[in-house]
Amino acid sequence: GAVVSQHPSWVICKSGTSVKIECRSLDFQATTMFWYRQFPKQSLMLMATSNEGSKATYEQGVEKDKFLINHASLTLSTLTVTSAHPEDSSFYICSARGLAKNIQYFGAGTRLSVL
Amino acid sequence: GQNIDQPTEMTATEGAIVQINCTYQTSGFNGLFWYQQHAGEAPTFLSYNVLDGLEEKGRFSSFLSRSKGYSYLLLKELQMKDSASYLCAANPDTGRRALTFGSGTRLQVQP
Repeated sequence: GAVVSQHPSWVICKSGTSVKIECRSLDFQATTMFWYRQFPKQSLMLMATSNEGSKATYEQGVEKDKFLINHASLTLSTLTVTSAHPEDSSFYICSARGLAKNIQYFGAGTRLSVL
Repeated sequence: GQNIDQPTEMTATEGAIVQINCTYQTSGFNGLFWYQQHAGEAPTFLSYNVLDGLEEKGRFSSFLSRSKGYSYLLLKELQMKDSASYLCAANPDTGRRALTFGSGTRLQVQP
């Protein structure tokens, strides 16, 4: 299957700092990327949909000024958690979908712990 | 609206067969997906059905009935490593919208 690379896999940061998470599609062009958050033993929660070259579409209740998404190219999207607080601690997962196949492939996820 | 239902938990024995059911109601439909997610890891793609019928891929098979809004994932010759959550997801349309995921079925395989 297609490969989606997500970095870093684990981040520990102090409250108030910003954290950037990268998501890359390695062997296909991702016209659309998605960012999810998942709390322990809960289902995936879609945060935003990112289309290359345009502004991200955020789900209801997700603060766009806090979770900055940039989709600068067909292979790279970034999520920046600005001024992180302990309640932002979660598992963040990106997903990418290309034109050729109607399948969403997931990155390995980033575990964020805010102290 | 979008609604996907699947059982919360299932238990099965190593070597046996288990069927995980999923019903969906979406405003549009362009395919049904199954993903496997081990604890602490991201989901991995298992199967995709867009037409009615059975798709077989090794020990895993997936079935779709669009008229009934129903799918199932069949796992044969269960192994301990199959213990994971299995996520049913529907593609709501042909556009750029994300998949709608069910809450997942936690499968515990016992010796």
